[in-house]
Amino acid sequence: EADIYQTPRYLVIGTGKKITLECSQTMGHDKMYWYQQDPGMELHLIHYSYGVNSTEKGDLSSESTVSRIRTEHFPLTLESARPSHTSQYLCASRMHDYGYTFGSGTRLTVV
Amino acid sequence: KNQVEQSPQSLIILEGKNCTLQCNYTVSPFSNLRWYKQDTGRGPVSLTIMTFSENTKSNGRYTATLDADTKQSSLHITASQLSDSASYICVVSSGGSQGNLIFGKGTKLSVKP
Repeated sequence: EADIYQTPRYLVIGTGKKITLECSQTMGHDKMYWYQQDPGMELHLIHYSYGVNSTEKGDLSSESTVSRIRTEHFPLTLESARPSHTSQYLCASRMHDYGYTFGSGTRLTVV
Repeated sequence: KNQVEQSPQSLIILEGKNCTLQCNYTVSPFSNLRWYKQDTGRGPVSLTIMTFSENTKSNGRYTATLDADTKQSSLHITASQLSDSASYICVVSSGGSQGNLIFGKGTKLSVKP
């Protein structure tokens, strides 16, 4: 029933490569979020957006960047991937405080 | 510092048995508390959401309780099934447009046949 889609689901990439993780939602939600989650650990907010052309950094410092050109699309980019970026990245969206919906995540491995 | 602590860290039970997971939080201001189920390698899926005024909320075999005075919540799973094997995450929202979700580390539940 997920109306928020993340691609790719899994990605193994070499150090120094540029990557973009895709996140799209079809619910018309204004607010979108990127979380990072290491195995067995809690989710940490790395970026969020209130709407088109709005992006903010979250609580956890990240070398990634995001953009919000369209309401439904919130891609995350790493200009130069490093092994320390290996993690699971989860995208979420909401309309109000109650209605968070999470994507299935992208598991990134940088070798 | 806003924190959400969950216990136990992991739990193994037999199929058909009941179990209770605990969540203690120190989050201010408080907007609502949610329980999520996260299967391995997937995103969290919402089970229940409770506001300050709600003491209990059920979703099928899942029943969550909230004591806002002691800042404790529990998730009770009745008649467990193999498909209940997952991490259960307690999340507290302090409201606001940023979202301000504070996540617990989760309880990893394994249901064995």
